[in-house]
Amino acid sequence: GNSVTQMEGPVTLSEEAFLTINCTYTATGYPSLFWYVQYPGEGLQLLLKATKADDKGSNKGFEATYRKETTSFHLEKGSVQVSDSAVYFCALPDTGRRALTFGSGTRLQVQP
Amino acid sequence: SAVISQKPSRDICQRGTSLTIQCQVDSQVTMMFWYRQQPGQSLTLIATANQGSEATYESGFVIDKFPISRPNLTFSTLTVSNMSPEDSSIYLCSVEDTTPDTQYFGPGTRLTVL
Repeated sequence: GNSVTQMEGPVTLSEEAFLTINCTYTATGYPSLFWYVQYPGEGLQLLLKATKADDKGSNKGFEATYRKETTSFHLEKGSVQVSDSAVYFCALPDTGRRALTFGSGTRLQVQP
Repeated sequence: SAVISQKPSRDICQRGTSLTIQCQVDSQVTMMFWYRQQPGQSLTLIATANQGSEATYESGFVIDKFPISRPNLTFSTLTVSNMSPEDSSIYLCSVEDTTPDTQYFGPGTRLTVL
């Protein structure tokens, strides 16, 4: 079935640093791709999504581009803030089903 | 997007007991999902719950341990039965919004079993 691989964390950055969290996927066809964020003690929030190849999803300064050539959906932000400290999950629909398959999650810690 | 609430937000339970988690959505949705997030881990799908039909369980999850109800299009419950410390996790419900494949999550129920 469809699967996703994320870079392992934790990722520790200083405030205003550039962020990249790598995500690659294996899928049948071209499913939608998602990034979710989980702040400490909270549930998951949809951060951004892309529904087809070359689409760029963006939200709160975060961006990710659906690259079918490299089967990637890397998350980027130009200048991180302490408030961005959270766990980030890459996800896609499972093969032939509506449920989501999640990556292992990447913990981001931003230091002032 | 749909607004989802869960009750309780957290609980501490004794082994051998059961806990029922409620998930309420502010709009009618066809598909609801229950996930488990073990400490420090990613999310694992427990089951898919559609109104008017039996829940569909994933490999490794059985109805006797995790019975699910879906009485209408805005509500579902998940029961964790005969709990053991290994059931200590965050349990999250999610719904598929009007956009196919796009899911929104509740705040989760943090369960600790002693």
